Parts: sequence; structure tokens; C-alpha cells
Amino acid sequence: AQSVTQLGSHVSVSEGALVLLRCNYSSSVPPYLFWYVQYPNQGLQLLLKYTTGATLVKGINGFEAEFKKSETSFHLTKPSAHMSDAAEYFCAVSGSGGTSYGKLTFGQGTILTVHP
Amino acid sequence: NAGVTQTPKFQVLKTGQSMTLQCAQDMNHEYMSWYRQDPGMGLRLIHYSVGAGITDQGEVPNGYNVSRSTTEDFPLRLLSAAPSQTSVYFCASSYHNRGPYNSPLHFGNGTRLTVT
Repeated sequence: AQSVTQLGSHVSVSEGALVLLRCNYSSSVPPYLFWYVQYPNQGLQLLLKYTTGATLVKGINGFEAEFKKSETSFHLTKPSAHMSDAAEYFCAVSGSGGTSYGKLTFGQGTILTVHP
Repeated sequence: NAGVTQTPKFQVLKTGQSMTLQCAQDMNHEYMSWYRQDPGMGLRLIHYSVGAGITDQGEVPNGYNVSRSTTEDFPLRLLSAAPSQTSVYFCASSYHNRGPYNSPLHFGNGTRLTVT
């Protein structure tokens, strides 16, 4: 079984400020972790993913996330927010074995608002 | 490449009616899936397929049927629509038959369904 909890359904930052979106996961097998972004009236697109290896993962548009097994966390960060970052962000987990390969479990989503 | 194409974009049904949401991809992806998105609940997996002729249930399969007779198409059938099925439906595909674990999901732009 696997699950994802995103802390905070809405996050608001000023342009140029640090972006921090929190994600904690639960998985009975080694997890594979993902961040997806959804712009208004569009489908989701992949920002970054962690499967194995380096725990600090870099993605598109300057985002990065760090896998911390001891904290069961995979928080998303960006040093300096841009207006174009305003969107909804989803953390997701996939299992690494058996039938869990095909099942991606999403968190509830965090809406990021960026103020000028 | 058109990517993942979903039709229709909008649909209104009366309780008890049936309909089929269409999904087609032109990327020769083995894995295809259907999600529903509801406010505050993220995306939940309805059904998925790892290849033509192979389908499996996700987290919320009740009230929905799928089939995969070709690699390109993965229609979702609502057998007898209920107000609880009011949602935004997303079709997503990925290259590898192990799905989102191994290769990113490509999403369509969604179908907004209202059941009255």
C-alpha cells in the first residue's frame, strides 16, 4: 500500500522568494517519487522524479526535490519564484515491484500563488 | 504528434445515461490509464492497461469499464451515470509497459463531465 500527503493545499509566495512545497509518503516497498505540475485547463506534466541513486533530484524550470528516507519526505523547492510558476503541484508515489508498477498514487495537490 | 487526445472536452449527462469517453495516443505507448480529478482529492486511478488486450483496476473502478483492443485507443465507459461521477477525467499514457515508474506520464487535456 502507498499513500502521499501534501501539507498545505495553498501556498502563496512573493516573486523572487523561496518556494517550498511539502510532501510526505508512505510505502511498503522502496518508493519511486514524482512531482507533476498542472497549469490551468491542462493535463499534468512531469517536473522531476526519484527512482534510485542520488537523493537530490533536479527537474525542469529550476525546481529540485530531495528524497529523505528517514523523514519519508520528498519536498519540492525552487530558490526564486517566478510568476509563471503559479500552478497546482502534485506529489506522487509508485511502488517498485509486482503490480504496483502500474499504479501511481497522487497527493491532494498544492496550489502555488505567486504575488508580484 | 498530437500526443494524448481526449474527446469530448465537456459533457453533461442525466442520471442513468451511459456514455464513452474517448482517449487516443499516437506515440506508440504501451501503458495507458484513466484518472479522475476531484477538488481536494488529487487524481485517483480508475483503470489502466499495460498493453493491447490487458487491463486492470485502479483505486476507484466501480461504475466504469475499459477495453484495450488497439495500442492507440483506451476508451472509458460509464455504464449508468451517477452524480458522484461528476468530475474531470484525464487519460494518460507512458512509453514503457511498467508505466509511470519507468517513464513519465503524458496527459490529455481532460474531459469535464457533469451528471445531473
